[in-house]
Amino acid sequence: AQKITQTQPGMFVQEKEAVTLDCTYDTSDPSYGLFWYKQPSSGEMIFLIYQGSYDQQNATEGRYSLNFQKARKSANLVISASQLGDSAMYFCAMREGAIYQKVTFGIGTKLQVIP
Amino acid sequence: DGGITQSPKYLFRKEGQNVTLSCEQNLNHDAMYWYRQDPGQGLRLIYYSQIVNDFQKGDIAEGYSVSREKKESFPLTVTSAQKNPTAFYLCASSMVGQGVKGYTFGSGTRLTVV
Repeated sequence: AQKITQTQPGMFVQEKEAVTLDCTYDTSDPSYGLFWYKQPSSGEMIFLIYQGSYDQQNATEGRYSLNFQKARKSANLVISASQLGDSAMYFCAMREGAIYQKVTFGIGTKLQVIP
Repeated sequence: DGGITQSPKYLFRKEGQNVTLSCEQNLNHDAMYWYRQDPGQGLRLIYYSQIVNDFQKGDIAEGYSVSREKKESFPLTVTSAQKNPTAFYLCASSMVGQGVKGYTFGSGTRLTVV
């Protein structure tokens, strides 16, 4: 079974609108962390936001928020007020384990912001 | 400024040749990782190392080798045994326990076999 599932290969959003990128995960480890990374066309991976499995509140970082629904095992990224510079690949990732904390990545969603 | 440096950015290799990708970090991170990225497949873990002189295979280690002689350096060798080496390779590092920001990534090396 896939550990991280991103079902949207590509998404379009109008500039200044909000967009939600979907991510579901699968783990039996009670302690885990969920990440979102942005990858522009230049290739570097940029950390956006983190949610721990025991965190009570949804994480927010500026225009990014993580809609964490633990029972449904989903960790969707919400980008508010989209900007042209948000056009990129977005990867959801999960960290599991206490000793060696392996990180597994989803296949990504390509977001294009339309002027 | 601290960070991870991968070199070269672009690399061309003739079929049947070994090639080594460089990864250096000055973040004082204990753990380092190599990922391979192919279109439509996300990132897949090749090798990782949590301490000097120790490393472990990831999900797709066949045809690759690594060394960790210094904390700062984690070079990846793509050997001639790797059947489909053309890909984008990303190096990352982290503190053990990772903190809330996960990995710090390099800017990647794009390897093309000609």
